[in-house]
Formats: sequence, C-alpha cells, structure tokens
Amino acid sequence: EVVLTQSPGTLSLSPGERATLSCRASQSISSTYLAWYQQKPGQAPRLLIYGASSRATGTPDRFSGSGSGTDFTLTISRLESEDFAVYFCQQYGGSPRVTFGGGTKVEI
Amino acid sequence: QVHLQESGPGLVKPSETLSLTCTVSGDSITHGYWNWVRQPPGKGLEWIGYIYSTASTSENPSLESRILISLDSSKNQFSLKLRYVTAADTAVYFCARATSTFMDVWGKGTTVTVSS
Repeated sequence: EVVLTQSPGTLSLSPGERATLSCRASQSISSTYLAWYQQKPGQAPRLLIYGASSRATGTPDRFSGSGSGTDFTLTISRLESEDFAVYFCQQYGGSPRVTFGGGTKVEI
Repeated sequence: QVHLQESGPGLVKPSETLSLTCTVSGDSITHGYWNWVRQPPGKGLEWIGYIYSTASTSENPSLESRILISLDSSKNQFSLKLRYVTAADTAVYFCARATSTFMDVWGKGTTVTVSS
C-alpha cells in the first residue's frame, strides 16, 4: 500500500505569508500520478494541482506544486484569506489504486 | 458544465445496506472513471472505489468484500452499495469524476449516518 504522509498537520500563518506543505510517499511514485486538493468546511474537495505541478483550470498562479519520487510540495506564494483551508495530496496507481494523505490545515 | 449529485437515505441501520446514487449531467458516463470517496466526521478522505465506462471496477481492498459499484448508462448514473454497515461507515459520501489519474469534478456530498 502506498501511504501518503502530509506535514505539518496544521500550519498557522498570516495573509501575505508563504505556505509550504509537504506530502511524502512510502514508495516512489510517478509525478504524473500526484494531485493536490483544497477543501473548505462543508464543501467538497476542489482539484488544485495534477501531475505534481500542473495547475487545474481556475487555480491561481500563487499555487505551485513540485517534487518527484517520494517527496512532493505544494507552495502558496502569498496567502490570501480564501486560501485558509485543508489541503490533501492524492496518488494514483498503487494499491489501493487511489490513496489520500491525511491533510494539512492552513489556518490563520 | 459538468455536475454530479449524490442521492440516497441519510440514515441507515447497523448491519443493513447503504445505497447511494450519483446522477451526472453535462457529461456522459460512457467514458471516464466514476469514483466514490468518503469522509468520516472531522477526518480525512478515503477512496472507496471507481467504475470505468466499460463497467470494470476497482475497489479499496479494505472495503472490497462489502461494496458493489454499478452504472446505469440509460440514466447517466452510477451507484454504490455498501453492505453490513456499522457506525464506522458514518461519513459524508462524495461522488467524483476522473478523466485521468485525478478527480476533477466532485458532487457536493451527502451525509450518511449509521444508527439504530
């Protein structure tokens, strides 16, 4: 089973600051198969990044993804008020076919 | 615009079967991967499984023995049945489309509580 470990669990920052979120896989995965989602309270997750670094339609360019192998990063260059949410990474292709990380909460 | 909508009972008794349907509009379920994902209260996301347009499926091994995912192309819907539910199955259940290795369109989710 491919386990995704996200850190930190909670990130306390202020608007305008830079956020760096980590997603570490228990075994090497293709960057093609790594995605990031944003979830706000009471809402469904929203796709932000796919293929480790490609922004989904509508994702602001302050969001960027990077990484390869077992270490992946989501960076928010300058936090805006609407960015305070929970972020999940997701991999495809292991067993189970799809797994999610435990999430990182970005709070003020 | 693609829209997914979950429907089904909000309350299921322990040991019974949870049944949910996802109705798709703006796209055809004859292509793509159609997923079920759940989220227990205050917790993270758990992938349940998907059905491909050919009706082949892939399920989370932790749930595989209890789940059935099917599709009805005539109604542009796909469904989830989860048998022998317990309180641990209480969650918000989402349906989601994946055209590749990621889920790009999600339903709003439906809350299912398992309780007698």
